[in-house]
Amino acid sequence: SAVISQKPSRDICQRGTSLTIQCQVDSQVTMMFWYRQQPGQSLTLIATANQGSEATYESGFVIDKFPISRPNLTFSTLTVSNMSPEDSSIYLCSTNGLADTEQFFGPGTRLTVL
Amino acid sequence: DQQVKQNSPSLSVQEGRISILNCDYTNSMFDYFLWYKKYPAEGPTFLISISSIKDKNEDGRFTVFLNKSAKHLSLHIVPSQPGDSAVYFCAAENQGGKLIFGQGTELSVKP
Repeated sequence: SAVISQKPSRDICQRGTSLTIQCQVDSQVTMMFWYRQQPGQSLTLIATANQGSEATYESGFVIDKFPISRPNLTFSTLTVSNMSPEDSSIYLCSTNGLADTEQFFGPGTRLTVL
Repeated sequence: DQQVKQNSPSLSVQEGRISILNCDYTNSMFDYFLWYKKYPAEGPTFLISISSIKDKNEDGRFTVFLNKSAKHLSLHIVPSQPGDSAVYFCAAENQGGKLIFGQGTELSVKP
């Protein structure tokens, strides 16, 4: 299984600011994903971070709001831009296991926007 | 449009008894179904999966049952242990390889 770390683990931010979340995997992986879990909700896929090309966003999520970088096969960042209280969520990085039927998740970043 | 639903937000079970967590889905084209366990302040951990061509998969104390005609799957934990107390997410993988999660069920196993 892949070991995934995220920074920061939590943050409290002011409205209108931006926060960049880092995700580091201990091995090279093809696929990296970013999820959001709003309070009381299920995990929702934001985008697939593609190495060497632009991220693929799910319906309802746009690059201007959630820019993503994937400079290599072990690292990705997600930026939450121009934050509002509605962005308060847990943001999780994920990657596939050796079997495509598995996904492994990082510990999450708990974001609170005031 | 919630394609994967876990209608019970919480479940309480006595230690040693069976825990049954349920999940319903609407898309008959899902290829795989997975269960994840999530402790507070941690990311979800993969627990067990089942292919859409099977109706049962067992791994130790955990068994997942799939009823395709009813578009229903369930996770059985027996015997339940206090350490099993967590939020359990059901997820379905579509043909594009993306996971769609249910809302989660919080299981509490009481000693």
